[in-house]
Amino acid sequence: NAGVTQTPKFQVLKTGQSMTLQCAQDMNHEYMSWYRQDPGMGLRLIHYSVGAGITDQGEVPNGYNVSRSTTEDFPLRLLSAAPSQTSVYFCASSYDQTEETQYFGPGTRLLVL
Amino acid sequence: GQQLNQSPQSMFIQEGEDVSMNCTSSSIFNTWLWYKQDPGEGPVLLIALYKAGELTSNGRLTAQFGITRKDSFLNISASIPSDVGIYFCAGPNYGGSQGNLIFGKGTKLSVKP
Repeated sequence: NAGVTQTPKFQVLKTGQSMTLQCAQDMNHEYMSWYRQDPGMGLRLIHYSVGAGITDQGEVPNGYNVSRSTTEDFPLRLLSAAPSQTSVYFCASSYDQTEETQYFGPGTRLLVL
Repeated sequence: GQQLNQSPQSMFIQEGEDVSMNCTSSSIFNTWLWYKQDPGEGPVLLIALYKAGELTSNGRLTAQFGITRKDSFLNISASIPSDVGIYFCAGPNYGGSQGNLIFGKGTKLSVKP
């Protein structure tokens, strides 16, 4: 099993550009989530999904969209990037929403100029 | 809302020393999780605690679920250079949807060989 994979590893964007951060898991996990990590701020939840076709907002959803068309994939979209979205983004998954042990991907480092 | 406060924010220790860090909350948790993040990687679960007073070990790591349910402690014995990283505590976000976690801001550990 590859576990949770994320692409790209690094990305530089200009303000106003759009992009999609990819996340995939091969563990047949129902629950998937996106976090952002900023220095001194820990991990903050952006969006999450409890299964295919179901998504909801986390603590800091503004500026991000998600969809969950399959169990395996949970992409995060930035429609119009802003410098405040410069961060490290982590995708995580768990067996289902009752399982509190989450498995994290390696992260995507995003710089918005 | 719920918050997890970790201390210390950072530690600089000599190889071979023991390490102690803690996590506190103003509200009760029924689960405490400890994650470690290696530089440039995603967090990895170290220990999960499910019962007040529980003491659980994972090699040189020992974590305790506080009796009040409002705190948890992580100890590392005889530290080695590969212990370097950021240690996060986490717990279920009872104010949000089931399955969501909230994280402390982390304790950054540096070990001098």
